[in-house]
Amino acid sequence: KNEVEQSPQNLTAQEGEFITINCSYSVGISALHWLQQHPGGGIVSLFMLSSGKKKHGRLIATINIQEKHSSLHITASHPRDSAVYICALYNNNDMRFGAGTRLTVKP
Amino acid sequence: ETGVTQTPRHLVMGMTNKKSLKCEQHLGHNAMYWYKQSAKKPLELMFVYNFKEQTENNSVPSRFSPECPNSSHLFLHLHTLQPEDSALYLCASSQSRGGPQHFGDGTRLSIL
Repeated sequence: KNEVEQSPQNLTAQEGEFITINCSYSVGISALHWLQQHPGGGIVSLFMLSSGKKKHGRLIATINIQEKHSSLHITASHPRDSAVYICALYNNNDMRFGAGTRLTVKP
Repeated sequence: ETGVTQTPRHLVMGMTNKKSLKCEQHLGHNAMYWYKQSAKKPLELMFVYNFKEQTENNSVPSRFSPECPNSSHLFLHLHTLQPEDSALYLCASSQSRGGPQHFGDGTRLSIL
């Protein structure tokens, strides 16, 4: 079993829909990072969190340390949100990456 | 503009060539990283430099040779690569080891 599991692997939504991407993990962590990778490869950091919830614009990230689970939510999704979303675990100096969730938002 | 610049963006090379990938950051960060991203696979951490010293080498073949001359620049020297080395190579930096990372746009490498 992978240490980091993301679901779903692929997600297609209509513009305006509420999106949820999940990340479950099996190891202890000091923080969790949500990354966005657009076609072409560039990666943008969205959130880094170790507890609770963070919000930035239409994006919300939550984490439950006891349940070893984090979610990334996108409200009022837009075609420009189409990208691969990657969950990354930090444990002191060690990092583990999820395989990513490919999101396509159709107009 | 991410603050981390990688050159070239694309590179095609033969298996016997020698080339170098360059990464530059002017964010004042002290840690720099090289990652490999193959098709349909998670990011793989290759090397970590912290204050110009290599702190991690994740069992990377010797045909990949990193160099960090100063805290703003990171190179990945390539020689006698194999077709399976074709991938996107990403550089990142962070203020400190374990902090949030800023990524470059990557170099897409194709080995003929």
